[in-house]
Amino acid sequence: ETGVTQTPRHLVMGMTNKKSLKCEQHLGHNAMYWYKQSAKKPLELMFVYSLEERVENNSVPSRFSPECPNSSHLFLHLHTLQPEDSALYLCASSQGGSQETQYFGPGTRLLVL
Amino acid sequence: DQQVKQNSPSLSVQEGRISILNCDYTNSMFDYFLWYKKYPAEGPTFLISISSIKDKNEDGRFTVFLNKSAKHLSLHIVPSQPGDSAVYFCAASPTSGTYKYIFGTGTRLKVLA
Repeated sequence: ETGVTQTPRHLVMGMTNKKSLKCEQHLGHNAMYWYKQSAKKPLELMFVYSLEERVENNSVPSRFSPECPNSSHLFLHLHTLQPEDSALYLCASSQGGSQETQYFGPGTRLLVL
Repeated sequence: DQQVKQNSPSLSVQEGRISILNCDYTNSMFDYFLWYKKYPAEGPTFLISISSIKDKNEDGRFTVFLNKSAKHLSLHIVPSQPGDSAVYFCAASPTSGTYKYIFGTGTRLKVLA
């Protein structure tokens, strides 16, 4: 595998379910990101991890819980989501942080019923 | 309030002609700008960037122009090819020290054969 991979690619869940999104980067980067893309809206940064430490948390509701066990893996744990959380969730990585090019995975299309 | 705006949601261009995609920003602290391209079912891929110390950056068929006084940047693709059909996102980053990119809503480019 090369680049940034995300699993699952599609996910349907009920509001009471707990699920996790997984991201893995094979680029040797040390920063990883979660973005949300809703229809007709810009990509919104949710979380940033640098060297496995969370450095940005953009006022994201606590029903979204990130985890970064090492510099290659990033998870987004989902719990009691709302239908308005349905969106494309994109993971990205970069070498370092500020003004470094971010490389994106293909995304997970999430539908909350 | 959107700090990065792409006011044209879509654009159609004939193959071989020039495609011009526009982006406006409001925050004068932005000093680094990028363009990403996104195909369906794939994550955004980096295309080209420009720092505020330049007003033009060229990479093959792609040229980005930056007009700081107008807070405007544009991406020129010449000649346009059918494979360029995708959604193009403009992104901006403030002065170093942050991991945050602010994205526009995207412009869907269709290159007609």
